[in-house]
This record gives sequence, structure tokens and C-alpha cells, in this order.
Amino acid sequence: AQTVTQSQPEMSVQEAETVTLSCTYDTSESDYYLFWYKQPPSRQMILVIRQEAYKQQNATENRFSVNFQKAAKSFSLKISDSQLGDAAMYFCAYRSAFPGGSEKLVFGKGTKLTVNP
Amino acid sequence: DGGITQSPKYLFRKEGQNVTLSCEQNLNHDAMYWYRQDPGQGLRLIYYSQIVNDFQKGDIAEGYSVSREKKESFPLTVTSAQKNPTAFYLCASSVDHGETQYFGPGTRLLVL
Repeated sequence: AQTVTQSQPEMSVQEAETVTLSCTYDTSESDYYLFWYKQPPSRQMILVIRQEAYKQQNATENRFSVNFQKAAKSFSLKISDSQLGDAAMYFCAYRSAFPGGSEKLVFGKGTKLTVNP
Repeated sequence: DGGITQSPKYLFRKEGQNVTLSCEQNLNHDAMYWYRQDPGQGLRLIYYSQIVNDFQKGDIAEGYSVSREKKESFPLTVTSAQKNPTAFYLCASSVDHGETQYFGPGTRLLVL
């Protein structure tokens, strides 16, 4: 079974600075998707960024980028120019791309990010 | 506006009572999902449906039931057999089973 580990329960960053959230995963599959979701105090899960395992290029979305290291099974999220609205729980998630494979997203336990003004 | 709606926002259940959580989407997505979130935890899959009139159990289906009579709707019933129902429940949908899942705003279920 696949597992996702987020080793940092809490992180903090100064406004306008850069922060990196860590995620590692364990799988025997070669094709899969990885996601970062943000959960603000409203508790709605919001997609931040998605990475396909077969793509070597790291995904980016504005101030958000990932460092995907397939061999190391590592998928970290970098937030540049942090803003107060970035404060939230961040969840790393894995999903199989195998046809007929599991439908579910496998989530880590989350990292709480605090942004200090 | 296209999106996923869940109701109610808060729900209280008495002992021995069945309650139903609503999830509706107007995104024309084929696949829909129900997740449970407990404090300090990530989400765990309860049930999912890839197509109308078909659904599959997830990791923690015991004590829950679902139906998928319409493409837009995927209600979740928390039955009296679920002994620890207090949690935050999130519904999600995706274009098909291989695509990104988008989430609704969630329902907080509390036991009286």
C-alpha cells in the first residue's frame, strides 16, 4: 500500500520570504500523480499544484513550485514571496495512475503553515 | 457558477439516528468521492462512484451508505452502525477517475 509522509507538523515563514514543505512517499508503482492541497481555516480543500510522475519537469503555479525527485520519492512544495493568505494546512497526496488502480487519494497528515507579518 | 456544494454545513446526530449528508456538483463530472477527516489527520476515503448507479467501498466504508441515482448527486448516509461519526466530511468530484479531484466546502458532523 502507498503511504505519504509529511515530516514537518508545523512550519512558519515571514511574509515575503520563501518556505519549503517536505513530502515523501512510498510506492512500488511507476506511474502516479502527486498533489499539494491547501486547507485554510474554512476547511475547504483547495488544489495548489499537481505533478505527473512521468514528467521530469517540475510543476509550477505562480508562486508555488515543486521539487519532484522520483528516485528519492520526494515531492516538496516551495512557496515564494509568502503572503498572509498562504497560512493554512498543506496536505501532500498521492494517486495511482494505473488503469483500474485505486481511486483514492492517499494523504499525508499535513503541515500547518503560519505566515508572520 | 460551477462547483460542488455540500449541505448542511453543520449536522448534529442523536444516538441511534441515521443522518444524510448532501453533495451536489454542476461540473458535469463523472466521478464523485466521500472522504472523512479527523483532527490532526489527512483524509480517508469512505466511498466513491465512477458512474451513475455504481459505487465502490473505500478504506472506511463500515457504518456508511451511499447512492448515485443522478450524475450530479452523491449523498452519504451515516448510519447508527457508525460508532464514532464525529468528523469533518468532504465530498469531491473529478472529470473521470483518472483526473484531479476537486472538493466541496465540507460538513461538520457532531454527535449529541
